[in-house]
Amino acid sequence: KNQVEQSPQSLIILEGKNCTLQCNYTVSPFSNLRWYKQDTGRGPVSLTIMTFSENTKSNGRYTATLDADTKQSSLHITASQLSDSASYICVVGGITSGTYKYIFGTGTRLKVLA
Amino acid sequence: KAGVTQTPRYLIKTRGQQVTLSCSPISGHRSVSWYQQTPGQGLQFLFEYFSETQRNKGNFPGRFSGRQFSNSRSEMNVSTLELGDSALYLCASRGQDGETQYFGPGTRLLVL
Repeated sequence: KNQVEQSPQSLIILEGKNCTLQCNYTVSPFSNLRWYKQDTGRGPVSLTIMTFSENTKSNGRYTATLDADTKQSSLHITASQLSDSASYICVVGGITSGTYKYIFGTGTRLKVLA
Repeated sequence: KAGVTQTPRYLIKTRGQQVTLSCSPISGHRSVSWYQQTPGQGLQFLFEYFSETQRNKGNFPGRFSGRQFSNSRSEMNVSTLELGDSALYLCASRGQDGETQYFGPGTRLLVL
């Protein structure tokens, strides 16, 4: 069964600290993996997208890594800011019968405290 | 370019009623997908439309339906509303690269 699991479910850190969010997947066939940031009450916004051949992708203070062999990805946030407080969703895409399918993780809720 | 827009942003209905939500994709995007998001279930895929045809469908009952118009705008309809239908309904349009989805702000539906 195609699944995407994220950990931890929630996380609280102090402003300025770093943190790492995890995403494990069993989706097959695999096409790409993306991380989204979703502020409360808003739609998700894409942070990074990686294909099978990419190991790392950065977007400012956000760095995503991908290990396609172990089917694991992580999102590292450096020098966190209050505005980083949001849910972070891992999404794995695959092509089945010629159409894209997206499997969403349930997200990690991050709270950054002053 | 304007982003994905959804209307209305908030909606309150009672059990048994029906509701229609609207989504306008980014100009030039032909694929529109709908998702239901609840605190306990996360994002659940409803269906995807491309060029007015439903291309993909998630595991939701027949009370959930949709359509897409020739200008790529899409509507989602939920009939005979149940309390459990209370959720944030998100619409996303597919980017030119065919892979990147851009989400709208969502419609928050509350069923009383």
